[in-house]
Amino acid sequence: DAGVTQSPTHLIKTRGQQVTLRCSPKSGHDTVSWYQQALGQGPQFIFQYYEEEERQRGNFPDRFSGHQFPNYSSELNVNALLLGDSALYLCASSFVGGSTDTQYFGPGTRLTVL
Amino acid sequence: GENVEQHPSTLSVQEGDSAVIKCTYSDSASNYFPWYKQELGKGPQLIIDIRSNVGEKKDQRIAVTLNKTAKHFSLHITETQPEDSAVYFCAASMGSGGSYIPTFGRGTSLIVHP
Repeated sequence: DAGVTQSPTHLIKTRGQQVTLRCSPKSGHDTVSWYQQALGQGPQFIFQYYEEEERQRGNFPDRFSGHQFPNYSSELNVNALLLGDSALYLCASSFVGGSTDTQYFGPGTRLTVL
Repeated sequence: GENVEQHPSTLSVQEGDSAVIKCTYSDSASNYFPWYKQELGKGPQLIIDIRSNVGEKKDQRIAVTLNKTAKHFSLHITETQPEDSAVYFCAASMGSGGSYIPTFGRGTSLIVHP
């Protein structure tokens, strides 16, 4: 049973550019959440997707957008990159109908903005 | 919104000793408290969780306690081993029907010396 997968593993961009990160949820999961983890910090919630719609959103600007596909995979897009966007971006999946709603994390995408 | 404080930020122990990490939360409506272990270069992995209707939960060498009145919860690791070395995050969340969005503490770096 494959866990949560993310691509790419690492990414280097320059300020002002746009980036797209991808996530495939754990088998059987239907909900995907995205987090930003700065160095030495805990993950910060960006948004959550369920049934191809953004269900909840954290305190992040509109430069951060996402999408969920019919197969439950998801993309995170960040426009007009800033140096401060450099971080580990984590995807977590869960199952709405499950008994625990526990979120399972992928390995993350390390984004460096120069 | 929810605020989670985690202490200590760094914990150094000898192999075989016990380790305790403490967290407090601010929102009394929080009802789900997961703990994650994050090894270098990897995403957070769930190690144990507890719900607000339970005061204590144990899984082999790991236990978690919850005091709803004081709004604090703790992770206890007994007989520590070098492979327990990692960053540990506590989290608190509220919700239902798959809408759990955890708020994370800042993490504790546990170092177990052989």
